Amino acid sequence: ETGVTQTPRHLVMGMTNKKSLKCEQHLGHNAMYWYKQSAKKPLELMFVYSLEERVENNSVPSRFSPECPNSSHLFLHLHTLQPEDSALYLCASSQGDGAGKTQYFGPGTRLLVL
Amino acid sequence: AQKVTQAQTEISVVEKEDVTLDCVYETRDTTYYLFWYKQPPSGELVFLIRRNSFDEQNEISGRYSWNFQKSTSSFNFTITASQVVDSAVYFCALRRGSNDYKLSFGAGTTVTVRA
Repeated sequence: ETGVTQTPRHLVMGMTNKKSLKCEQHLGHNAMYWYKQSAKKPLELMFVYSLEERVENNSVPSRFSPECPNSSHLFLHLHTLQPEDSALYLCASSQGDGAGKTQYFGPGTRLLVL
Repeated sequence: AQKVTQAQTEISVVEKEDVTLDCVYETRDTTYYLFWYKQPPSGELVFLIRRNSFDEQNEISGRYSWNFQKSTSSFNFTITASQVVDSAVYFCALRRGSNDYKLSFGAGTTVTVRA
């Protein structure tokens, strides 16, 4: 049981493809996050949206493009990815973006770039 | 800069044994927040606990307990009477008490509980 869902759960794409990852939260939160989890590396924060505005862009290459159409949905658009972008992409949400706010995570999309 | 160190990469125990996961953090802030998450094989990060820097009271929740000691900058996690379902990767994380959105994670400790 989770309040944050992500689709697809698994994705294989070529370097010339364009795909999108979707995240939906059912918790009534107003802040959403994208994280990247690579093998043998700590989780890396990619983007933060608060009240549907992007408030953090953590030096992420432009081949990753986030979109937050409303407070319940978050997308990550992918194009011309590299094999090193293969990772688990996790979405999270919180009620507010303050430091003490707990982030709740989705199950992730496991991405393989060939 | 914030840093979280989980020195134990992997821990393997037999069911019903206790297991303690170490977490040491570094920060110059006086206000900060510490978290523990569990990541089972399914991939989802499950929130376990949040502690703010002003609350050093230890906490017990069922078979889980946490020992927060500011003097040693540690926030250790103990699973008592471990079960196979406890097998997962456990992450300790730190967030500054300011307008910094970053949740700094440790590298994680893989716990395997054998029947």
